[in-house]
Amino acid sequence: GIQVEQSPPDLILQEGANSTLRCNFSDSVNNLQWFHQNPWGQLINLFYIPSGTKQNGRLSATTVATERYSLLYISSSQTTDSGVYFCAVAAGSGYALNFGKGTSLLVTP
Amino acid sequence: DAMVIQNPRYQVTQFGKPVTLSCSQTLNHNVMYWYQQKSSQAPKLLFHYYDKDFNNEADTPDNFQSRRPNTSFCFLDIRSPGLGDAAMYLCATSRGDREVQPQHFGDGTRLSIL
Repeated sequence: GIQVEQSPPDLILQEGANSTLRCNFSDSVNNLQWFHQNPWGQLINLFYIPSGTKQNGRLSATTVATERYSLLYISSSQTTDSGVYFCAVAAGSGYALNFGKGTSLLVTP
Repeated sequence: DAMVIQNPRYQVTQFGKPVTLSCSQTLNHNVMYWYQQKSSQAPKLLFHYYDKDFNNEADTPDNFQSRRPNTSFCFLDIRSPGLGDAAMYLCATSRGDREVQPQHFGDGTRLSIL
C-alpha cells in the first residue's frame, strides 16, 4: 500500500512562531487531507488538498502532486494549535485514507 | 451544526461483552467509514460502506462487524471485546462521486475494556 511519512515527528514552538510540517507519499494520490487532532481526540479537517495551494486564516497548505509531497504552514502559532497533525492520503480508485504517523506539536506561552 | 454524530463519546464494557457503537450523519453522504485509533497511533480503516455495499479491510479482525440499516446510520459491533480493542473509534463520511471527495469525521467514541 501507499506509504505516508510525516516530519518532524515532534515539534515545540513558542507562541507566535511559524512552522512548516511536511508529508511525503509514495504514490499518486486522489485525496490528501490534513487534520488536527486536539487533546480531546477530535479530528478536525484542515484542508482537502490533493494538489495546489489553499489558505485558511493562519494556516496554509501546498501539495506538489508530481513530486509527492505536501506542506502545512502554521503562522503566528497559538497554544490552541497544540495537538497532533495528521496527513492522510488515498490512492488509485480506493476510498481508504492512509494516515501518516503524525507530527505532535506543542505551543508554549 | 453537528454533521457526523457519534454516540456515546465514552463507552466502557467488560472483557468479552458485546458492544455496539453508533454513528449518524446529516450530510446525506453515501460512503461511511469506521476507523480504529489506538493510543499514540494513527487512525486505521476497519471497513467502509458505499451505499449498502460493505468493504472490509483485509486485516480487520472477524470480531468486528458493521451494519448500515439506512443512509444516515452506521453501527460498529464488537462481538467479544478484548483488552487490545480499547481505542478511539472514529466514524467518517464522504460523497461517493466519480472524483474522490474529502472525508468528514465525527468526534469519536473512546472505548475502554474492563
